[in-house]
Amino acid sequence: DAKTTQPPSMDCAEGRAANLPCNHSTISGNEYVYWYRQIHSQGPQYIIHGLKNNETNEMASLIITEDRKSSTLILPHATLRDTAVYYCIVSGMQGSARQLTFGSGTQLTVLP
Amino acid sequence: GAVVSQHPSRVICKSGTSVKIECRSLDFQATTMFWYRQFPKQSLMLMATSNEGSKATYEQGVEKDKFLINHASLTLSTLTVTSAHPEDSSFYICSASFEQFFGPGTRLTVL
Repeated sequence: DAKTTQPPSMDCAEGRAANLPCNHSTISGNEYVYWYRQIHSQGPQYIIHGLKNNETNEMASLIITEDRKSSTLILPHATLRDTAVYYCIVSGMQGSARQLTFGSGTQLTVLP
Repeated sequence: GAVVSQHPSRVICKSGTSVKIECRSLDFQATTMFWYRQFPKQSLMLMATSNEGSKATYEQGVEKDKFLINHASLTLSTLTVTSAHPEDSSFYICSASFEQFFGPGTRLTVL
C-alpha cells in the first residue's frame, strides 16, 4: 500500500471548517483513499473514502486532487467532539479483504 | 451502520496468565477480521488477519504461538494472549468486514 504524509497536529476554531491535508504521491490506480478518526481510548471510526471523485457524506467531504497525489478531508463545521486523531490511509485489495496500514495521523484539536 | 463489539472492554491480569478477547460482528457476517495493537501514544499496528475456517495470517514480528487467533464462525473471532507479560499491556482492537468497521477496543493490563 502507498504511504501517506500528514501534519502531526492542527488546531481549528469551533464552528469553523477543519481542512486536513494528506499527501499520497505514490498512490496506484486501484488504491482508494480512506479517512478514519480515533477519539482517545476508542476504536477508529470510519469517516469517508474515495477513489478519484470528490465525496461527501453526513460527516465530511473528501477532496482528491486530479492527479490523486493528495487529498483533503473537510469537516464543515467543527465541534469540540471532533477533537481526535485523523488517519489518512491508502489501501488496495489484498485477497478478499482490504488491509489498512495506519500512519501517525493528525491530531486535530477543536478550540472553543 | 455495521456494528462490531469486543469483550471485555478492559482486563487486568497477572503475569503468566492467558487472556481471551472476543470480537463479534453484530449485524453482518465477516469472513475476514483484523486484529490490531496500539501502544500508548502510538498508531495502530496490524497484528494478524483472521479468516473464517482457516488459519490466521500473522504480520512479521508477531508470535503466532503467543497470540492465538480463532475465527470459528462468520460473526466471531477470538484473540488469546497466552502467558501474558507486562510488555503485552496494550490496547487491542479488532475490525471486520470489507468496510473495516472497528470494535471499541480492549485495554489489557498485565501486572
